[in-house]
Amino acid sequence: QITLKESGPTLVKPTQTLTLTCTFSGFSLSTSGVGVGWLRQPPGKALEFLALVYWDDDKRYSPSLKSRLTITKDTSKSQVVLTMTNMDLVDTATYYCAHRGRTTWHNWGQGALVTVSS
Amino acid sequence: QSVLTQPPSVSAAPGQNVTISCSGSTSNIGKSFVSWYQQIPGTAPKLLIYENNKRPSGIPDRFSGSKSGTSATLGITGLQTGDEADYYCGTWDSSLGAGVFGGGTKLTVL
Repeated sequence: QITLKESGPTLVKPTQTLTLTCTFSGFSLSTSGVGVGWLRQPPGKALEFLALVYWDDDKRYSPSLKSRLTITKDTSKSQVVLTMTNMDLVDTATYYCAHRGRTTWHNWGQGALVTVSS
Repeated sequence: QSVLTQPPSVSAAPGQNVTISCSGSTSNIGKSFVSWYQQIPGTAPKLLIYENNKRPSGIPDRFSGSKSGTSATLGITGLQTGDEADYYCGTWDSSLGAGVFGGGTKLTVL
């Protein structure tokens, strides 16, 4: 059974850096074709792709947010970490991590609501 | 503004059938597999359809997917009140090098 869980701060101030950790089980990020990514959903709005890291450490980022994002993996800990710099009010959203196979987001974490406010 | 285009809402009565469209371009739907996700308010998205028309285990065959050119369609037959949710299409965009989604469609079962 595959599970993922997001952890991190629920409240950050504008200009601060957000660090979120995804801890997963039921699969290995060293298996060929496997990836773990981050997506987000502002309140009442659509899903948005943020970043993805593959088993071979290949990384992909949203073009519009690439300068602010860093994704890293720790295979031994079954964790993937996302950092987002210079947080703004518009970054308030539920942040999800998800397990990606070769073509789709198969399994999702429960999500973590992050509010940006001074 | 989402890369993929979906109707904001659809509605139908219990027992009826409904389709939800998803329109893209040659760099996304035209080149990559399409997935569909169901999101009940307050919960995480759940994979319904992957690789255009495949259902994960546990997803009833009332849900189906198809793709033609740069468009895809989700079909739901025999609507149930429990199907009320937001539905999102998603795929990969080769020009952006990133995942993309539709704006979501709210399904109301009257």
